[in-house]
Amino acid sequence: AQKVTQAQTEISVVEKEDVTLDCVYETRDTTYYLFWYKQPPSGELVFLIRRNSFDEQNEISGRYSWNFQKSTSSFNFTITASQVVDSAVYFCALRGRRTGNQFYFGTGTSLTVIP
Amino acid sequence: DGGITQSPKYLFRKEGQNVTLSCEQNLNHDAMYWYRQDPGQGLRLIYYSQIVNDFQKGDIAEGYSVSREKKESFPLTVTSAQKNPTAFYLCASSVGQPDNEQYFGPGTRLTVT
Repeated sequence: AQKVTQAQTEISVVEKEDVTLDCVYETRDTTYYLFWYKQPPSGELVFLIRRNSFDEQNEISGRYSWNFQKSTSSFNFTITASQVVDSAVYFCALRGRRTGNQFYFGTGTSLTVIP
Repeated sequence: DGGITQSPKYLFRKEGQNVTLSCEQNLNHDAMYWYRQDPGQGLRLIYYSQIVNDFQKGDIAEGYSVSREKKESFPLTVTSAQKNPTAFYLCASSVGQPDNEQYFGPGTRLTVT
C-alpha cells in the first residue's frame, strides 16, 4: 500500500520564523519518488522538489530545505525566515516505481505566515 | 509557453445536467490525470490516462467519465450521477517515467446548484 501522511493540518507562524512541515510515507516499493508541491490561494499546484529513494542527501534551495530520512520514512520540508508569500497549502506526494503513473498525495498542510 | 490549460476557471451548472471540463497540455506528456479537491482536503484521483485511448479509474471515479482521443487532451465529464459535484477540479500531466513530477493546470471551480 502507498500512503502519505501530513499530520499538521494548519500551521501559523510569524514572519521571519522558521517552520518545518512534516511528511511521513508508507510504501512497499524499494524504488520510489517523493515530491513537494505548493498550492497558493490561486489554486494551481506548483512543483517544488523531487527526491528518489536512493538519494538521501538533504537539499537546500534558497530559504527552502528538505530532510529525507529513509529510516523514519520521512521527507520533511523546512522554510527558513518565512515570508508572507510562503502562505499556501503544501502537499507531499509519493510515486512508487511499481505503481506506475499513479501519485499518492497527503492531505496537505495549510501554512499561514503572519506579518 | 508550454503548460496545461483548463477552461473555464469557474463553471456553474444546474443539478441534473452533465458538464464537461476541458484540459489541454502542450508538454508532450504521455500521462494525464484528473483530481478533485474539496475545501480543506487533499487531492483525490478521479481518472488517469497513461497513453492515448487508455485510461484507468482512480479512487473516486463514480459519476465521472473521461476520454483520451488525443495526447494533448483529457476532458472530464461530470455526470448527473455524481452526488456531490461541487468542487475544485485539477488536471495534471507527467512524463510516463515514475521519476518525473506532475505539472498542474490552474483548475476549474465547479458549482452545481
